[in-house]
Amino acid sequence: GENVEQHPSTLSVQEGDSAVIKCTYSDSASNYFPWYKQELGKGPQLIIDIRSNVGEKKDQRIAVTLNKTAKHFSLHITETQPEDSAVYFCAATKNSGNTPLVFGKGTRLSVIA
Amino acid sequence: NAGVTQTPKFRILKIGQSMTLQCAQDMNHNYMYWYRQDPGMGLKLIYYSVGAGITDKGEVPNGYNVSRSTTEDFPLRLELAAPSQTSVYFCASERGNTEAFFGQGTRLTVV
Repeated sequence: GENVEQHPSTLSVQEGDSAVIKCTYSDSASNYFPWYKQELGKGPQLIIDIRSNVGEKKDQRIAVTLNKTAKHFSLHITETQPEDSAVYFCAATKNSGNTPLVFGKGTRLSVIA
Repeated sequence: NAGVTQTPKFRILKIGQSMTLQCAQDMNHNYMYWYRQDPGMGLKLIYYSVGAGITDKGEVPNGYNVSRSTTEDFPLRLELAAPSQTSVYFCASERGNTEAFFGQGTRLTVV
């Protein structure tokens, strides 16, 4: 089955700097790669996603890149703000009837004001 | 639109007791999941379902059972609670290869 590795497990950045979180996946058939943000005491929420027919997607200060050949994808947050502090999870899945969404272990991002 | 609703939000169980964590979604999603999240850790998949009548084990199924008699509901059963099952439990649903929606979580303590 699919295996998703996520790095780093913790990340501290100064406010205004950029943050990058990287994930690798094992199943070359995976074609959907979402990123979730989990704030304290809440369930994860989708912040951005990318499909395998696209190399990059951007939404304001957040961008995701996908390298299908290397089987890795990354989350980029620019001009970080204190409210970006949270745990971020990457995930991967494929459009197959019986395969679940597989998450990475998460990255705790701290933005220092 | 309620999304994914989990009940209860908090529960304290004694060792050996049983309970059912409820999860309901009103989005007509085929896929439903149960995860546990230990303090400071990631999401571990317990069980999942790709549709009514179909369930499969995830990474950590021991000590749990599920059923999926309807599209909307996906209850998680703990038969003999153990301290190792102290955790926060999240239910999620998705249509398939799309955004997954999570419930607010159930914080379970076994003493």
